[in-house]
Amino acid sequence: SYVLTQPPSVSVAPGKTAMITCGGNNIGRKSVYWYQQKPGQAPVLVIYYDSDRPSGIPERFSGSNSGNTATLTISRVEAGDEADYYCQVWDSSSDQGVFGGGTKVTVL
Amino acid sequence: EVQLVESGGGLVQPGRSLRLSCAASGFEFDDFAMHWVRQVPGKGLEWVSSITWNGGTRAYADSVKGRFTISRDNAKNSLYLQMNSLRIEDTALYYCTKDREIVFTGFDYWGQGILVTVSS
Repeated sequence: SYVLTQPPSVSVAPGKTAMITCGGNNIGRKSVYWYQQKPGQAPVLVIYYDSDRPSGIPERFSGSNSGNTATLTISRVEAGDEADYYCQVWDSSSDQGVFGGGTKVTVL
Repeated sequence: EVQLVESGGGLVQPGRSLRLSCAASGFEFDDFAMHWVRQVPGKGLEWVSSITWNGGTRAYADSVKGRFTISRDNAKNSLYLQMNSLRIEDTALYYCTKDREIVFTGFDYWGQGILVTVSS
């Protein structure tokens, strides 16, 4: 089965840039989705199709995907960005959804 | 406004059954695939099952295959998850989610989740 690997945690100072990676075999050939989940809340889609933002998501959130790594970048990090972030793809070879293990972003 | 409201959760003994429902509103239900995703409190997200817009294709995680059945009633704007032979490890918060498309891609809207506890 397809596996997505994320770092367990990322720490960043306010105003700086956070980069969260999502590794997978030839992930660049798949469409990657990113979700933000704050404590006690349902996840929220922040990036789809590798780099598109749903309406209402700040431009500070951006995504890229190439080779074996997809990346979610949060620019000018704010305290409110502190959350768990998950990457996700659909693996058409097994016809299954796949999530990464999640990355906890801490704003220092 | 898109709304997804889950119901049917609760406490159930191992080996028993439970049926989750999800009432959808605010969008053309039969234009989109739908999914169930679960999360053990304090742990990560796990995809459970998916169904295309017309129910023609259904997919299941290996952990639930043969025990869970996903279905939908487009006339009632509702999604279902029939869970049989429940195990302790099925204990989780179950989310109803909407896809962006008629086939399987990603999840653009989520319900608030419904808790399923499997325990004797």
